[in-house]
Amino acid sequence: DAGVTQSPTHLIKTRGQQVTLRCSPKSGHDTVSWYQQALGQGPQFIFQYYEEEERQRGNFPDRFSGHQFPNYSSELNVNALLLGDSALYLCASSAGTGTYEQYFGPGTRLTVT
Amino acid sequence: AQSVTQLDSHVSVSEGTPVLLRCNYSSSYSPSLFWYVQHPNKGLQLLLKYTSAATLVKGINGFEAEFKKSETSFHLTKPSAHMSDAAEYFCVVSEWVGRRALTFGSGTRLQVQP
Repeated sequence: DAGVTQSPTHLIKTRGQQVTLRCSPKSGHDTVSWYQQALGQGPQFIFQYYEEEERQRGNFPDRFSGHQFPNYSSELNVNALLLGDSALYLCASSAGTGTYEQYFGPGTRLTVT
Repeated sequence: AQSVTQLDSHVSVSEGTPVLLRCNYSSSYSPSLFWYVQHPNKGLQLLLKYTSAATLVKGINGFEAEFKKSETSFHLTKPSAHMSDAAEYFCVVSEWVGRRALTFGSGTRLQVQP
């Protein structure tokens, strides 16, 4: 059983560009959450999707948007990239309400130059 | 609002000695608490979780943590450190009902000396 997968592994972009990151949840999971982990810091919650809608959102600007597809996979889009968006972006999946475990993917390392 | 404070950014122990990683939390409701571990260039792995059952929680690889409501603490311990325990450890709180979002602490880097 494949766990949470993310693509690409690494990405280099220029300021002002747009980027799309992808996540496939663990089999049987219907909820996807995205986190940003800056260097030397703990991950910060960006938003969470289930039933193809954004359900919860952390303190991130509207430049960060997402999507969930019928097969539960998800995309994170970041527009107008800033140098400060350089980070490890983590996707986590879970199943149903009242579920405590979130399973994390290996992350996508985004570098903005 | 929920928050987590990890009291030590870096802890160094000798192999075979006990490990203590300290965590205090703040929550408006009865929280769920977790410890995650992150090895270099690897994803986050759940070590253990507290979800209002037993206050002493046992996790993987010999780790355990005790929930102390009066002290708002959830410290992680292990009786004997192993070289493979060297990693970054995150204390995490979640209080939102339903499909939970996690609030992470800033992390504690555990170094294990031979």
